[in-house]
Amino acid sequence: EDQVTQSPEALRLQEGESSSLNCSYTVSGLRGLFWYRQDPGKGPEFLFTLYSAGEEKEKERLKATLTKKESFLHITAPKPEDSATYLCAVQGGGADGLTFGKGTHLIIQP
Amino acid sequence: DGGITQSPKYLFRKEGQNVTLSCEQNLNHDAMYWYRQDPGQGLRLIYYSQIVNDFQKGDIAEGYSVSREKKESFPLTVTSAQKNPTAFYLCASSIDSETGSYNEQFFGPGTRLTVL
Repeated sequence: EDQVTQSPEALRLQEGESSSLNCSYTVSGLRGLFWYRQDPGKGPEFLFTLYSAGEEKEKERLKATLTKKESFLHITAPKPEDSATYLCAVQGGGADGLTFGKGTHLIIQP
Repeated sequence: DGGITQSPKYLFRKEGQNVTLSCEQNLNHDAMYWYRQDPGQGLRLIYYSQIVNDFQKGDIAEGYSVSREKKESFPLTVTSAQKNPTAFYLCASSIDSETGSYNEQFFGPGTRLTVL
């Protein structure tokens, strides 16, 4: 059974204070690891897909990295508008749907 | 604009009633999915469909039913057999879950169902 654990559950940062969110996973035959951003009351917004260990992707202040056991979402010099819940999900070799973690609720204070 | 639409945004149901949630996409995606989101839990897969007139149960299909008569549409019915239906329901689609290299799932805005 595929499993995803995200930490911390919640994180409060000052504007400009860089940090990282963690996503640990166990999966049989990783087909992809996905990061989403979700604002309150809205559907998740796709951010990144990572397919293999060592892969990195960047978008504005966000950078996602992948190892064989975990992924990190690094946020550099965050702004208040980066406040959201960040979701990590995996798709294993035997699955068609995604297995999601519970998310990290990120708050950036001005 | 291409995208996924869900309606209604809010839905209230009395106990014992069946309700149907709409999901439409104009992205020409083959695969469509329904997830349920509860506070403090990750999204959980209810049903998915890779092709018209075919669908499979996900992890929590009991008390739900779906149909896929058109590529663009994948409605979800929450039946009276679902014991805890109050939740946020999310529909998603992807190009092709089997053979495509683009596995990303794109989500609609969601429907919040409340049972009174």
